[in-house]
Amino acid sequence: KAGVTQTPRYLIKTRGQQVTLSCSPISGHRSVSWYQQTPGQGLQFLFEYFSETQRNKGNFPGRFSGRQFSNSRSEMNVSTLELGDSALYLCASSLTGDLTARGAFFGQGTRLTVV
Amino acid sequence: AQSVTQLDSHVSVSEGTPVLLRCNYSSSYSPSLFWYVQHPNKGLQLLLKYTSAATLVKGINGFEAEFKKSETSFHLTKPSAHMSDAAEYFCVVNHAGGTGYGKLTFGQGTILTVHP
Repeated sequence: KAGVTQTPRYLIKTRGQQVTLSCSPISGHRSVSWYQQTPGQGLQFLFEYFSETQRNKGNFPGRFSGRQFSNSRSEMNVSTLELGDSALYLCASSLTGDLTARGAFFGQGTRLTVV
Repeated sequence: AQSVTQLDSHVSVSEGTPVLLRCNYSSSYSPSLFWYVQHPNKGLQLLLKYTSAATLVKGINGFEAEFKKSETSFHLTKPSAHMSDAAEYFCVVNHAGGTGYGKLTFGQGTILTVHP
């Protein structure tokens, strides 16, 4: 069974541009969550999607958005990039978003560098 | 509000000696607690989870953790460290339903160094 797949693995963008990251969850998983990892702030929750609906959201500005497709694949978009958006973006999938029994499974991440 | 505090940002041990990574949690009600590990340039891998069935939880690669409600702690241990254990470890909390859907709250991480 394939794991969580994130593409691309690495990205370099210029300030002010926008970027789209992609995540394919484990087959059968319908919940996808996104996290930002930086040396200063650690791992922070961005948002969670289930059945194409955003169900949960962290404390990030509106420049960060996402969506989920009917096949459960998810994309995350960051507009008007800032230097501080440089980070490792991790995607996690689970069956339903109820993580109490099994936790979540993570992809290898997309390393975004804003210059 | 839920949170976790990892008491050590760095832990250094010699190969073959015990490992102890400390974590305290703060929660209004019974949480689900996890330990994840991240090797350099890799994603996060689940080591073990506590979900109220048993207070001593065994995970992969010889790791285990004990949930102590009276101390609000969930420390990670391993009897004998291997070189391959060198990585960053995260203590993580989740609450069921509502604002807990799909949301894991991470500690700041503990970098484990293993010396030959």
